[in-house]
Amino acid sequence: KNEVEQSPQNLTAQEGEFITINCSYSVGISALHWLQQHPGGGIVSLFMLSSGKKKHGRLIATINIQEKHSSLHITASHPRDSAVYICAVRDYDKVIFGPGTSLSVIP
Amino acid sequence: NAGVTQTPKFQVLKTGQSMTLQCAQDMNHNSMYWYRQDPGMGLRLIYYSASEGTTDKGEVPNGYNVSRLNKREFSLRLESAAPSQTSVYFCASSEARFGGSQPQHFGDGTRLSIL
Repeated sequence: KNEVEQSPQNLTAQEGEFITINCSYSVGISALHWLQQHPGGGIVSLFMLSSGKKKHGRLIATINIQEKHSSLHITASHPRDSAVYICAVRDYDKVIFGPGTSLSVIP
Repeated sequence: NAGVTQTPKFQVLKTGQSMTLQCAQDMNHNSMYWYRQDPGMGLRLIYYSASEGTTDKGEVPNGYNVSRLNKREFSLRLESAAPSQTSVYFCASSEARFGGSQPQHFGDGTRLSIL
């Protein structure tokens, strides 16, 4: 079993839909990151959180430490949100990356 | 502010050839990392440098060597390339070891094909 799992693996949505991407992990962590990788490859950090919820524009990230689960929500999705979303968990001496969720938003 | 710059962006090698991937960051970060990304798998750590003058093996170091040339630059060398090393390579940096209170910053990646 992988230490960090994401679901779904692939997701296609219509523009305007509410999107949820899930991340589950099996190790103790000090922080969890959500990253975005656009076609063409560049990776940018969206959120880093260790508890509760964070919001940035149309993106919301939540984490439940007890359940070892995090969700990334996208409200009013847009074709420019099409990308691979990567969950990564960090403890003191390592970062473990999930396999990513590929999102395609169709106009 | 360029952030993390990787060169080259693309490279094709023949089995057995050697090459060095270059990475430089202009954020005065202490820690730098090399990852590889393969289809269906998460980013995997090859080597990292927690601070200038130190390097450590990550999850998949075999077949690679690294040099932390100075605080800005961290290079990855393939001495004898193998088809299994076909991958996309990312360099990243962070202020503290594995990020601390700040996330890692990534370069745009190097797409490497070994024939």
